[in-house]
Amino acid sequence: EAQVTQNPRYLITVTGKKLTVTCSQNMNHEYMSWYRQDPGLGLRQIYYSMNVEVTDKGDVPEGYKVSRKEKRNFPLILESPSPNQTSLYFCASSLGQGSTDTQYFGPGTRLTVL
Amino acid sequence: AQSVTQLGSHVSVSEGALVLLRCNYSSSVPPYLFWYVQYPNQGLQLLLKYTSAATLVKGINGFEAEFKKSETSFHLTKPSAHMSDAAEYFCAVTRRGTGGFKTIFGAGTRLFVKA
Repeated sequence: EAQVTQNPRYLITVTGKKLTVTCSQNMNHEYMSWYRQDPGLGLRQIYYSMNVEVTDKGDVPEGYKVSRKEKRNFPLILESPSPNQTSLYFCASSLGQGSTDTQYFGPGTRLTVL
Repeated sequence: AQSVTQLGSHVSVSEGALVLLRCNYSSSVPPYLFWYVQYPNQGLQLLLKYTSAATLVKGINGFEAEFKKSETSFHLTKPSAHMSDAAEYFCAVTRRGTGGFKTIFGAGTRLFVKA
């Protein structure tokens, strides 16, 4: 089944404890992206990647890191999480690198930073 | 810079009534526009998209949207609401960043359908 998977689905952690949220897609998509969803703000793009070793900042990259060493994986790293990073996170992928491609979303990761 | 505004954070309709969810965009160049739907506890899925072909775009589940350049709008409609349409709907636009294309989402509109 074609899908985007994220792990973990739920995570509660404490301020300053490094964490990684994994994202993997099995559709051989070029483009991958991370978003955070907060009430009243919709989804905001954190980082995106056009291909292996090619990443760029979205609109809210502060406090996050990403890497794209393999085409299928795009982990999101929080080196020192803070409470304002408590949010619902989505990974997405799309086939091409253009502006008209449909994005396919993972099920989400709900992160709470205490 | 491109952005989208969704008018109304909550919309309530009766089953069988017309659904109208509003989206206005700001863009200095012809935009590419999308509507996504999010059902409870799920990720987003595409309803439809405008890519500069036909201005009236038909999507899944009976939804459609019309691109109106003069009004900078891309409103989503469905003639007859069904209980299963209850969800949150997001309008989005893509814009070019330094390393590729970014996606800008609106704040979302939650649709309630009353029996």
